[in-house]
Amino acid sequence: EAEVAQSPRYKITEKSQAVAFWCDPISGHATLYWYRQILGQGPELLVQFQDESVVDDSQLPKDRFSAERLKGVDSTLKIQPAELGDSAMYLCASSLAGTFTDTQYFGPGTRLTVL
Amino acid sequence: GNSVTQMEGPVTLSEEAFLTINCTYTATGYPSLFWYVQYPGEGLQLLLKATKADDKGSNKGFEATYRKETTSFHLEKGSVQVSDSAVYFCALIASGGSYIPTFGRGTSLIVHP
Repeated sequence: EAEVAQSPRYKITEKSQAVAFWCDPISGHATLYWYRQILGQGPELLVQFQDESVVDDSQLPKDRFSAERLKGVDSTLKIQPAELGDSAMYLCASSLAGTFTDTQYFGPGTRLTVL
Repeated sequence: GNSVTQMEGPVTLSEEAFLTINCTYTATGYPSLFWYVQYPGEGLQLLLKATKADDKGSNKGFEATYRKETTSFHLEKGSVQVSDSAVYFCALIASGGSYIPTFGRGTSLIVHP
């Protein structure tokens, strides 16, 4: 069964350092999502791509976060510089076409701890 | 804007008890509704979904019916097992606009033997 891959699974960094997360969606899925999930809360959408284009990034803190999906396949989310409040689980998901009936398939997530 | 409200947890039950987790929503446009489950340290997995009013989604003994008149999508299971212990998230994607997903805060379920 095809899965969404994410790496690394865990990342510990010091504040003011740069971190990057990678996501490889299910093959053929045009829509890719990055979420931040703070412990005890639901996922918060950071950015949504349709192929290589950004559909929504209204909740992405653009002064420190950036995301790209250059060839419309895999994607990278970067934080520079990291702050203590960025400690969270970062989830990637993909869906076939991004319509309102589509199912999102989630990866295992990257647990970020900022010291 | 769109929003999803779930009942506060944790919900603590004994094995074989009946489960209800309440979910209500507000949405611009006509949403599809989803329940996801998250086991400790893992990503979310789709449990069930419904894409139009009066549809019933079902999977692994769980059910939820899309009630447009009450804007609700409550999750139910007739007899829970210890292995159902997890966090359950209600979510929607509205048909108007850019199809941006909205999740609830999650409800933790703890099932005791």
